Amino acid sequence: EVQLVESGGGLVQPGGSLRLSCAASGFTFSSYAMSWVRQAPGKGLEWVSTISGSGASAYYADSVKGRFTISRDNSKNTLYLQMNSLRAEDTAVYYCAKEEYGDPSWFFHLWGRGTLVTVSS
Amino acid sequence: QSALTQPASVSGSPGQSITISCTGPSSDVHGYNYVSWYQQYPGKAPKLMIYDVSNRPSGVSNRFSGSKSGNTASLSISGLQAEDEADYYCSSYTSSNTLVIFGGGTKLTVL
Repeated sequence: EVQLVESGGGLVQPGGSLRLSCAASGFTFSSYAMSWVRQAPGKGLEWVSTISGSGASAYYADSVKGRFTISRDNSKNTLYLQMNSLRAEDTAVYYCAKEEYGDPSWFFHLWGRGTLVTVSS
Repeated sequence: QSALTQPASVSGSPGQSITISCTGPSSDVHGYNYVSWYQQYPGKAPKLMIYDVSNRPSGVSNRFSGSKSGNTASLSISGLQAEDEADYYCSSYTSSNTLVIFGGGTKLTVL
């Protein structure tokens, strides 16, 4: 069974850092681009970042560029999102999502259940 | 980059058909065939319903279909069922710095 399980969310103060992880199983992880998409409480979806299957290419939304870093460890079937200089507006459920190909397909085929990040003092 | 524009809500009776629109500037919806649609129940993760404008993933009912005309994409649902009541989001690749944008979401109510 194809599965994505996020972890690492929690409460962090403004200006702080957090690293999210997404453990993948049931498919050849290195063959697929992976993404992070977030959803603020009661709000819509917002694309955050995408990384190619090889990890060679990464893409970011303007709202997180320079603060967030996406990475992956294909030997561990795990996707990461390092979040620095966190702001209140980064508060959201963060979803890990599998794309369709090794290069970005720009749609999100399978989603994890999400992990909640709350930025507050 | 502004979000794509969707109606806040649509409704229909069981068995009827409805259409949800998704409008964006020519730099995204019109310019690329990278429009996708997602269904989301409250408190749950989104589910892919349509990709690349009109393709249905395996396992998605053929009651769901997608199309595009100019800078407006549409999701149509035929034979409405109670289980279709959910939020629906469109998404598109865009040539702006932020490469993927979503619509604000449409709440579908099955009367």
